[in-house]
Amino acid sequence: AQSVTQLDSHVSVSEGTPVLLRCNYSSSYSPSLFWYVQHPNKGLQLLLKYTSAATLVKGINGFEAEFKKSETSFHLTKPSAHMSDAAEYFCVVTNTGTASKLTFGTGTRLQVTL
Amino acid sequence: GAVVSQHPSWVICKSGTSVKIECRSLDFQATTMFWYRQFPKQSLMLMATSNEGSKATYEQGVEKDKFLINHASLTLSTLTVTSAHPEDSSFYICSARKGLTGSSPLHFGNGTRLTVT
Repeated sequence: AQSVTQLDSHVSVSEGTPVLLRCNYSSSYSPSLFWYVQHPNKGLQLLLKYTSAATLVKGINGFEAEFKKSETSFHLTKPSAHMSDAAEYFCVVTNTGTASKLTFGTGTRLQVTL
Repeated sequence: GAVVSQHPSWVICKSGTSVKIECRSLDFQATTMFWYRQFPKQSLMLMATSNEGSKATYEQGVEKDKFLINHASLTLSTLTVTSAHPEDSSFYICSARKGLTGSSPLHFGNGTRLTVT
């Protein structure tokens, strides 16, 4: 069994300040973890993924996430928010099996203010 | 890159008619594609897993006779909403896995907004 919890449904930051979107997971197997971003009325775009290699993962648009097994966390961060970062972010967990399904978090809406 | 094209991006249909949504992987072959439904301000709900050359696997509670899925080639899966009703109005998103294992990320289409009047 696997699950993912996004701890904040809504996060608001000022432009230029750091972003932290929190995600905790549970998995019976070694997990693969992903962060996706969704802009309004659009599909999901992959930001980054963790698949048991380096625990600090760098993604697109300046985002990165750190896999912490002891804390079962995979928080998403960015040093400096930009207005274009305003969107919905989903943390996703799966296992590495060929028949694995993705389990989505409930999403965090990031608001960026001037 | 890995591009997934979904068409149409929006469609309005009358109650009782059928609507077909196409999902294509443009630059890779996908043996498995997934269809999701997303309600406003909610996460994605997996409807079914589409397997090339075989029957789709539906999630519990999803009517397979209402949501027909065909995956006739390695680059195309279609979802047909049959005898659509207003409660079928939603945002439908497809995705395709480029690799063969669960560690391969999914690549998503831009979604289809279905409105049934």
